[in-house]
Amino acid sequence: GQNIDQPTEMTATEGAIVQINCTYQTSGFNGLFWYQQHAGEAPTFLSYNVLDGLEEKGRFSSFLSRSKGYSYLLLKELQMKDSASYLCAVRAAYSGAGSYQLTFGKGTKLSVIP
Amino acid sequence: GAGVSQSPSNKVTEKGKDVELRCDPISGHTALYWYRQRLGQGLEFLIYFQGNSAPDKSGLPSDRFSAERTGESVSTLTIQRTQQEDSAVYLCASSLDPTGYSNQPQHFGDGTRLSIL
Repeated sequence: GQNIDQPTEMTATEGAIVQINCTYQTSGFNGLFWYQQHAGEAPTFLSYNVLDGLEEKGRFSSFLSRSKGYSYLLLKELQMKDSASYLCAVRAAYSGAGSYQLTFGKGTKLSVIP
Repeated sequence: GAGVSQSPSNKVTEKGKDVELRCDPISGHTALYWYRQRLGQGLEFLIYFQGNSAPDKSGLPSDRFSAERTGESVSTLTIQRTQQEDSAVYLCASSLDPTGYSNQPQHFGDGTRLSIL
C-alpha cells in the first residue's frame, strides 16, 4: 500500500525558517510534489523533486532522499500569508493503472505568528 | 478561463439523491483528474482522463460513482444514491500530458463542497 506521513500542525514566527518533513512508503516512486492550500481554496503547486537533492525556488526549497523515503519543504523569511496547509504528494508508479495519480499526505497546517 | 473551474461551489442534498459535479479544465490540458478530500484526510484519487485513452477508474470507491469527459474539455462526476459518507470536497485538477514527463504539475480547481443530509 501507499503511506505518506507529515506532521499535522506546526507553528513558526514571522521572519523565521521552518522545515516541514514528509516520509513516504510507496510501491514505486516517480516524483514528489509539494502543494500549498489556503483554507477553502485550491491546492497550488510549489515544487517537484524526482532526483535526490535540493531544489530551490525563491523562499521555498524542497529536498528529497529516495533511499530514505524522505522529503522536506523549507520555507525561509516566513510571512503571515504563508499560513496554510502544505501537502506532500507522491507519484508512485511508472506505468499502468494509477500511474499518473498523486497519493497525498494529510497535510501540515502551518500557522505563522507575529 | 485562466484556471480550473468547478461548479457548483457548494451542494447540499438529501441522502439517496443523485448529484452531478462539473469541471472545466485549463485550455490545452489533456489530462484531467478527480480527487476527494474528506475532513481531516488527504486527497484521495478517484479517476484520471488523458486524451482519448480509456480513463483510469482505479480510485472510484463504488459503482455509485462515475465520470465522463468529452474529448479534452469538460468533465462531470456523478454520484448516484448519495450517502452521508460521500460528504467531502471534490477537487478537479488538470495538467499537460504527463505520459512524457512526470514533472507536469496538476493544477487544481477550488472544489465542490458536497454535504449529504
